[in-house]
Amino acid sequence: AQTVTQSQPEMSVQEAETVTLSCTYDTSESNYYLFWYKQPPSRQMILVIRQEAYKQQNATENRFSVNFQKAAKSFSLKISDSQLGDTAMYFCAFMKHVLTGGGNKLTFGTGTQLKVEL
Amino acid sequence: GAGVSQSPRYKVAKRGQDVALRCDPISGHVSLFWYQQALGQGPEFLTYFQNEAQLDKSGLPSDRFFAERPEGSVSTLKIQRTQQEDSAVYLCASSLAFLENTGELFFGEGSRLTVL
Repeated sequence: AQTVTQSQPEMSVQEAETVTLSCTYDTSESNYYLFWYKQPPSRQMILVIRQEAYKQQNATENRFSVNFQKAAKSFSLKISDSQLGDTAMYFCAFMKHVLTGGGNKLTFGTGTQLKVEL
Repeated sequence: GAGVSQSPRYKVAKRGQDVALRCDPISGHVSLFWYQQALGQGPEFLTYFQNEAQLDKSGLPSDRFFAERPEGSVSTLKIQRTQQEDSAVYLCASSLAFLENTGELFFGEGSRLTVL
């Protein structure tokens, strides 16, 4: 079974600053996907960024980037130029590769509540 | 609408009552998932459909929980004889057929169930 750990229940950052959210995971799989999802107060989860484990290059999406360390099983999210709209709960999630029977089943961490302050 | 729609958004039930939660996925999405999110926790997988077939129900916590998707579109999660520990937000998500998809799920806003 896979586990995902987010050790920072809450974080805050000043607007326009950079913040990094941590995530570690445990798996015996060699091929998988990792995700960061954002859940604003309205509760609709939105995909922020995804990483395929077989790709060494870290994924980036505009102000969001990841630091994927496969050997260390670490997957942190960096948010640059933080904006008030980034205030949300952020969940790290793991999924086995579909060709290994993953079936799109996500395993989530417990989340990090990020607050962006003026 | 273009997104995943869930109803009701809020449901209060007395202990022992049966409840039914509805999910209308994005049109054309073959896969449909139910997750349970307790207060302050991450979502926990309940069950997964591909079209009308329930391929994985390993996350359903007890036989009081039942899900169906008879025509491969709308899905209903039914909880019989509700207990206080069933209080949670129930999230529905849909996605394209898995071979065409690299894992992005599209979530609804959830149904918050409170059992008194």
